[in-house]
Amino acid sequence: EIVLTQSPGTLSLSPGERATLSCRASQFIYSNSLAWFQQKPGQAPRLLVYGPSRRAAGIPDRFTGSGSGTDFTLTISRLEPEDFAVYYCQQYSSSPGSFGQGTKLEIK
Amino acid sequence: QVQLVQSGAEVKNPGSSVKVSCKAFGDTLTNYAIVWVRQAPGHGLEWMGRLIHNVGVTNYAQKFQGRIAITADKSTNTAFMELSSLTSEDTATFYCTASGTSEPPLFWGQGTLVTVSS
Repeated sequence: EIVLTQSPGTLSLSPGERATLSCRASQFIYSNSLAWFQQKPGQAPRLLVYGPSRRAAGIPDRFTGSGSGTDFTLTISRLEPEDFAVYYCQQYSSSPGSFGQGTKLEIK
Repeated sequence: QVQLVQSGAEVKNPGSSVKVSCKAFGDTLTNYAIVWVRQAPGHGLEWMGRLIHNVGVTNYAQKFQGRIAITADKSTNTAFMELSSLTSEDTATFYCTASGTSEPPLFWGQGTLVTVSS
């Protein structure tokens, strides 16, 4: 089973700043099958980017996924108030399709 | 585009089973890979298992092996996740998801809260 480790656990930033979230895999992820999700309190997660740089439909271009192999990054270029949430990475190259433990992005 | 609507919240006794349904609207559910995800209160997301109905493939996470079953009924366009031998540690919100076979979960149900308590 591939274990995903996200860092930092909590990120405190202000609106307008740039956020960089990391996801490291315990094994090589084939076909760059790595996705990022956003979850707000009381809501289901929402797919943001996958593959690892393709945006899902309707996702603003301030969200950018990058990386390959075992190291992946989600960058939010200019934080909007609605971006403060919990972010999860997930690998879908092998079963089980494990998730990272999450990064909480909070307002500073 | 598919919309997923899950069954309502449940309260279960320890040792019993729960069967959560996930009805699809807008497309044929069995054309998608169906993945179930668990989220305990205040915790992260946990991949439970997957059904690729068209090729008859199911995969389950090892921690749920032997007490989980993911099925689908084409006639009602509904997927099901049954989890048995429930303990208090199974108290969680369960999500059904749908996606292409080699894609991450794109469409999500609203979640079903299952509370295990005596």
